[in-house]
Amino acid sequence: SSELTQDPAVSVALGQTVNITCQGDSLRDYYASWYQQKPGQAPLLVLYNKDNRPSGIPDRFSGSNSGSTASLTITGTQAEDEADYYCNSRDSSGDHQLFGGGTKLTVL
Amino acid sequence: QLQLQESGPGLVEPSEILSLTCTVSGGSIRSMSHYWGWVRQPPGKGLEWIGTIYYDGSSYYNPSLKSRVTLSVDTSKNLFSLKLTSVTAADTGFYYCARLHGTYIFDQWGQGRLVTVSS
Repeated sequence: SSELTQDPAVSVALGQTVNITCQGDSLRDYYASWYQQKPGQAPLLVLYNKDNRPSGIPDRFSGSNSGSTASLTITGTQAEDEADYYCNSRDSSGDHQLFGGGTKLTVL
Repeated sequence: QLQLQESGPGLVEPSEILSLTCTVSGGSIRSMSHYWGWVRQPPGKGLEWIGTIYYDGSSYYNPSLKSRVTLSVDTSKNLFSLKLTSVTAADTGFYYCARLHGTYIFDQWGQGRLVTVSS
């Protein structure tokens, strides 16, 4: 498959837990990375290799993988987590990159 | 602290060549652990991978853009470049350069350069 599919929009109440999912056949073979993008800013890596966080990313961000689905979980969602989130991985050939269509997270 | 900075024309005429450069500071483009890449984003839309290059010039391109894209690297100036030919309005958007950890984790991004294709 040459696609990664994300729900266009998700909402969560302040302080609650939200899961953002990414589906694609290549996720059976390759880990997903996740990027947060706020308006007017470049994307920011928040998770890689399923559940690794770069320095400075809060531990409320975590990841998991099951079959062809990768998930980003935010536990205790904060107002500043409102953003677009994109998953990224390789295609089935392993040579090319794919991005999901993005999920707009709204914090209520 | 690694920094990446895109530069190049913000306006390109249809059918012409879009050329952008990404200057790397605070680190060497000759890093054996990193690749370098370009990602674009039409206004209000999602991210699209354009291509990835290593300091030795080996490269990978998005199959949908491959016929129009060329990436190059200049290790003496610590920069890498993008050329996209035969542009149309559909190529309008923000163009980001990025460092990749390995070949597929975009761990550092430039601030982005808005390129508009219009006459």
